[in-house]
Parts: sequence; structure tokens; C-alpha cells
Amino acid sequence: AQSVTQLGSHVSVSEGALVLLKCNYSSSVPPYLFWYVQYPNQGLQLLLKYTSAATLVKGINGFEAEFKKSETSFHLTKPSAHMSDAAEYFCAVSDQGDYKLSFGAGTTVTVRA
Amino acid sequence: GAVVSQHPSRVICKSGTSVKIECRSLDFQATTMFWYRQFPKQSLMLMATSNEGSKATYEQGVEKDKFLINHASLTLSTLTVTSAHPEDSSFYICSARDPRGRGNEQFFGPGTRLTVL
Repeated sequence: AQSVTQLGSHVSVSEGALVLLKCNYSSSVPPYLFWYVQYPNQGLQLLLKYTSAATLVKGINGFEAEFKKSETSFHLTKPSAHMSDAAEYFCAVSDQGDYKLSFGAGTTVTVRA
Repeated sequence: GAVVSQHPSRVICKSGTSVKIECRSLDFQATTMFWYRQFPKQSLMLMATSNEGSKATYEQGVEKDKFLINHASLTLSTLTVTSAHPEDSSFYICSARDPRGRGNEQFFGPGTRLTVL
């Protein structure tokens, strides 16, 4: 079964600063990879996904992630943080032959004015 | 994009009662739906995979008789928490897979906050 590790349970950035959230997966075969965002008491919204196409994936709200097979990583970045980016972020992985998603522990992002 | 709804969004019940939560795919037919449980400040834990017209597949450690799942149509799956107790209080989230999509993407409902008194 796939597993995913998110480094850092909490990230604090200043408004306008770079946001970097780290995600590593365990698999010898490139899986499907996802980043989701969750606001308090809400469901999950997809930010972006990697499905074996371009390794640099652009998502909504200015986020992007790069798939690096050699590092088994799929880190999420945003060049300039906005106050509205404060939320919980989850990295998820899925085998290509299995519809289940395995989620990381999540990273809480706070944005300082 | 694909939309998934959940009802109710919040429910408070007495210990020993049963609670039903509905999950609907609004603009697509979902042959597969998933039910998750999320405790405060924690990640999502997959409880079961719901397949239309067949029995749900439960994850290890999830009580089948406690959490009844029915996927009677291509747009509706229900989770019934039977004889609920305070330890069942949690945030329950459903998701649905759009078979038209690529890459196993799941679309999530807004969640249901269950509080058992």
C-alpha cells in the first residue's frame, strides 16, 4: 500500500512570502499524486494533481507542485502567500490500479500579516 | 467540476440512537464512493469503499455492523451510524470518484459533524 509523508505539521509564513509544503511518497512505481486544501469544518478541495503527464503541475489559487521521481517527492509551492491561504493542506497518493487515496498527516498553514 | 453534497451538515443525537448521513453526486454518476472519518487536527481515515449495487468494502478495524453503508443508486450512498455513542462523535466526509475523469481523483462532500451526547 502507498504511504505519504508530509514534513512539518505546521508552517507559518508572512503575507507575500513563499509557501513551501513538502510531501514524499513511498513507491517504486510513480503513482497518482494530489494536493488538497481544507478550510475549517469543510470538505476537501483539490488544488492540483499529477497523473503521469507534465512533472510541473499548476493548480488553482496560484499553487504549483513538481513531481520528482528520483526524490519520490511532490512538494507544493506558492510564490506569494495570501491571508486566504491559511488552511490545512493534505498530500494524497493513489496507485494507478487502485482507486483508494492515502493521505498524509496534513500541514497547517498560518499566514502572518 | 463535479459536485458532491452531504446531508445533514451537522447532527446532534442522544447515545443509543442511529444516525443516517447521505452523500450525493449531483452532476455525475459515481460507481464508487468513499467514507472517511476525521478527528480534530488529524488526517482523514478511510472507513470504507462503497460500490453501487454491491456490498461495501470496509477497512481493517472498522465495524461493519456499526457503520452501515448502502450505495443503492449511482448518485447516492448512505452511512448509518448505529447505536451511536460519544466515541463516535467525529467529522464524517464522503467522496466520489468520477469515472469520466483520469487519475483516480475524488471529489469530496462538505462533511457532516456528528456529536453524540
